[in-house]
Amino acid sequence: DAGVIQSPRHEVTEMGQEVTLRCKPISGHDYLFWYRQTMMRGLELLIYFNNNVPIDDSGMPEDRFSAKMPNASFSTLKIQPSEPRDSAVYFCASSLLAGGRETQYFGPGTRLLVL
Amino acid sequence: AQTVTQSQPEMSVQEAETVTLSCTYDTSESDYYLFWYKQPPSRQMILVIRQEAYKQQNATENRFSVNFQKAAKSFSLKISDSQLGDAAMYFCAYRGGFGNEKLTFGTGTRLTIIP
Repeated sequence: DAGVIQSPRHEVTEMGQEVTLRCKPISGHDYLFWYRQTMMRGLELLIYFNNNVPIDDSGMPEDRFSAKMPNASFSTLKIQPSEPRDSAVYFCASSLLAGGRETQYFGPGTRLLVL
Repeated sequence: AQTVTQSQPEMSVQEAETVTLSCTYDTSESDYYLFWYKQPPSRQMILVIRQEAYKQQNATENRFSVNFQKAAKSFSLKISDSQLGDAAMYFCAYRGGFGNEKLTFGTGTRLTIIP
């Protein structure tokens, strides 16, 4: 399996621009997670989906952030408008809840820099 | 809310020696899972080892093993025969039982391997 795929790997944008991060989970996995990693806050969950339905979005910072999962093989995280404090590494992870042995597998991350 | 504490920001070990990374957590749940993830300079999050709370036996994966003390809420990682490729940030993570799939991470321990 190719693992979790994220694109782009790096993104540099200017404040106020829209940013869209993309994720393809491992085939067959029924959970998808978006995490953000910063020096100040460490790794924090933004939102997660089960069978394409958002379950917990309490970690989404504010209305500028939105996430969708239109089908089982694709998810997006959008920031509009972007701000310099959004600069971080954004990880997507997926897992399969089977027999309680769920483990989250992470993508390579998208490094976002907002100028 | 669950919390995960890693009290060692940095550790170093001589190549081929053994090192132990500490992790404590706080929870009121009885059913949960614990993980150690490795993050090398590439930023990829790599699963090292997992432990189910209901299992008394400590998990092992080749040179990696854990010391899981449920009553003390402690979950340390032992790396035997340290290799240069083990140099990375190590994150301890907690996941609750069914219905609580989010991972809560510690702040990480940076491990340096001395040749």
